[in-house]
Amino acid sequence: QLQLQESGPGLVKPSETLSLTCTVSGDSISSRSYFWGWIRQPPGKGLEWIGSMSQSGSTYYNPSLKSRVTISVDTSKNQFSLKLRYVTAADTAVYFCARGSPTGTTTLNNWGQGTLVTVSS
Amino acid sequence: QSALTQPPSVSGSPGQSVTISCTGTSSDVGSYNLVSWYQQPPGTAPKVMIYEVSNRPSGVPDRFSGSKSGNTASLSISGLQAEDEADYYCSSYTGSNSVIFGGGTKLTVL
Repeated sequence: QLQLQESGPGLVKPSETLSLTCTVSGDSISSRSYFWGWIRQPPGKGLEWIGSMSQSGSTYYNPSLKSRVTISVDTSKNQFSLKLRYVTAADTAVYFCARGSPTGTTTLNNWGQGTLVTVSS
Repeated sequence: QSALTQPPSVSGSPGQSVTISCTGTSSDVGSYNLVSWYQQPPGTAPKVMIYEVSNRPSGVPDRFSGSKSGNTASLSISGLQAEDEADYYCSSYTGSNSVIFGGGTKLTVL
């Protein structure tokens, strides 16, 4: 059974870089052609798509975050990662990783439980 | 890129039917049959209920159905049950492998 688990610091200082990892179990990131994505949800607010990455390594980002975001993969560890630079309080949110379909992340079929990241000094 | 527009809240009594709308533009909902709907009970991760406008993943009750007309997609839930109470989000493809979500709708089962 596919499982995704986010991990990383729960507290990040303003202007620093938020770094999260999603560990995938129950399937190999490199064995089949799926898209993998990151989504966030500020406390009490709605979902925001951050970006996605194909199995081949192509990346796609939310235009509003594109200048600060990098998504990458480490197939040897069966993980993919999110880096968000120059964070502010507005980046405080629960961050989810998810698996899409072979064609993209328009449908996110499997989600991690989410991890809360607070941006504060 | 503004979020898709959903009503903040809807409600219904057990057994009744409700419909949640999701309004976008001709650049997203109106251009692609790639609308999904997610159910999110409090404190949990979202779960896909509908994909590609009207398809149900296995395990999702047929009480849930989706449709689209022009720039507006809709999620209908018939035979409301207490367990349906949750936040619901729509999402749409916007082109260039980008996705946008709706603002979310809180469903209350009275």
